[in-house]
Amino acid sequence: QQQVKQSPQSLIVQKGGISIINCAYENTAFDYFPWYQQFPGKGPALLIAIRPDVSEKKEGRFTISFNKSAKQFSLHIMDSQPGDSATYFCAARKKGGSQGNLIFGKGTKLSVKP
Amino acid sequence: EPEVTQTPSHQVTQMGQEVILRCVPISNHLYFYWYRQILGQKVEFLVSFYNNEISEKSEIFDDQFSVERPDGSNFTLKIRSTKLEDSAMYFCASRGTADNYGYTFGSGTRLTVV
Repeated sequence: QQQVKQSPQSLIVQKGGISIINCAYENTAFDYFPWYQQFPGKGPALLIAIRPDVSEKKEGRFTISFNKSAKQFSLHIMDSQPGDSATYFCAARKKGGSQGNLIFGKGTKLSVKP
Repeated sequence: EPEVTQTPSHQVTQMGQEVILRCVPISNHLYFYWYRQILGQKVEFLVSFYNNEISEKSEIFDDQFSVERPDGSNFTLKIRSTKLEDSAMYFCASRGTADNYGYTFGSGTRLTVV
């Protein structure tokens, strides 16, 4: 079964610090790697995404680093703020899947302390 | 910003009863999905729907589940005979075109089977 493994399960960061969440995938059958942010009682909201032909993508304080050879990608949140406290999910889209469903990691609960 | 709308936000049902979860995807989107999230766990793919038919489904989506797009706006998930283990958050998602990988999720329906 295709898996996306995410770590850590939870993360506590001081305000202004850098939050780093890591994901790894097991095979090369993915062609799109999004990160989702989820607040309690809400659906996942797309934060930032990357294609495997790019090694890094930055949008504001959020950066994805992608290492194709290692089959790993990570989310970096610079200058973390209390409002960033949420659960973050990495995901991968199956390449060639009939209409492209997403496979999610198990999530990381981020708490940013003031 | 366009939204995916789900109703009801919370549904409590007796075991063995049928439930219908409703979704209104973004109006010009073509691809529709149902995902579920058991409390505290990862988001899991259930089914994808395109051109008025199921394009892919997971092992979770057994004969008790069905989807329908009865008109031009609604997209429904029916669970024929609910089980306790069907208790979860159910998320609807939609996506625009084949080369648009931006999935938009609704806020979910919390289904509680008692």
